[in-house]
Amino acid sequence: DGGITQSPKYLFRKEGQNVTLSCEQNLNHDAMYWYRQDPGQGLRLIYYSQIVNDFQKGDIAEGYSVSREKKESFPLTVTSAQKNPTAFYLCASSIRASGRAQEQFFGPGTRLTVL
Amino acid sequence: QKEVEQNSGPLSVPEGAIASLNCTYSDRGSQSFFWYRQYSGKSPELIMSIYSNGDKEDGRFTAQLNKASQYVSLLIRDSQPSDSATYLCAVNPSNYGGSQGNLIFGKGTKLSVKP
Repeated sequence: DGGITQSPKYLFRKEGQNVTLSCEQNLNHDAMYWYRQDPGQGLRLIYYSQIVNDFQKGDIAEGYSVSREKKESFPLTVTSAQKNPTAFYLCASSIRASGRAQEQFFGPGTRLTVL
Repeated sequence: QKEVEQNSGPLSVPEGAIASLNCTYSDRGSQSFFWYRQYSGKSPELIMSIYSNGDKEDGRFTAQLNKASQYVSLLIRDSQPSDSATYLCAVNPSNYGGSQGNLIFGKGTKLSVKP
């Protein structure tokens, strides 16, 4: 059963705490993406990775970090430097990122709340 | 600044009618266009992709692309209450972020289909 999984579904963070959001895919996709969605807003790109061991900053990378050690996994860490982290975080993947843009498929999302 | 614009709605149509959703984009070099459906509290789900001028039909959905006028639209025939959701338009601008695979999302149009 192929797809993208994200965990946890809900996450609560205290001030000054780092938290890591998990994203795993078994679609054999090369490219993976992290987006943030705020109420009434479009999706904004945080980081993306076109291939294992490589990743690039998106539009709003400050206060976030990622790694891509395995093709299947692209975890996102929300650091204490991110001043307004409460949002819905979405992970996506596509077959590849080169050439004509491919369809991106999304995981179920993680809803992060700062206490 | 590469932008994707959508009317936020809500767009209200009676059951069985045709719902018409529109999207304009600023980058004339954009090559790939996508429509996603997002139910409240859920992640986006890909409905249609379109790459060439003209119409593309898939069941009750038709995507229309006009690159000269820089707009893409989604028509939903025989609208059902289950179609009530927010519809996101996504565009792949030329050389966005150094990767040809990245997408810019509009803020979405909320559709309500009344029984």
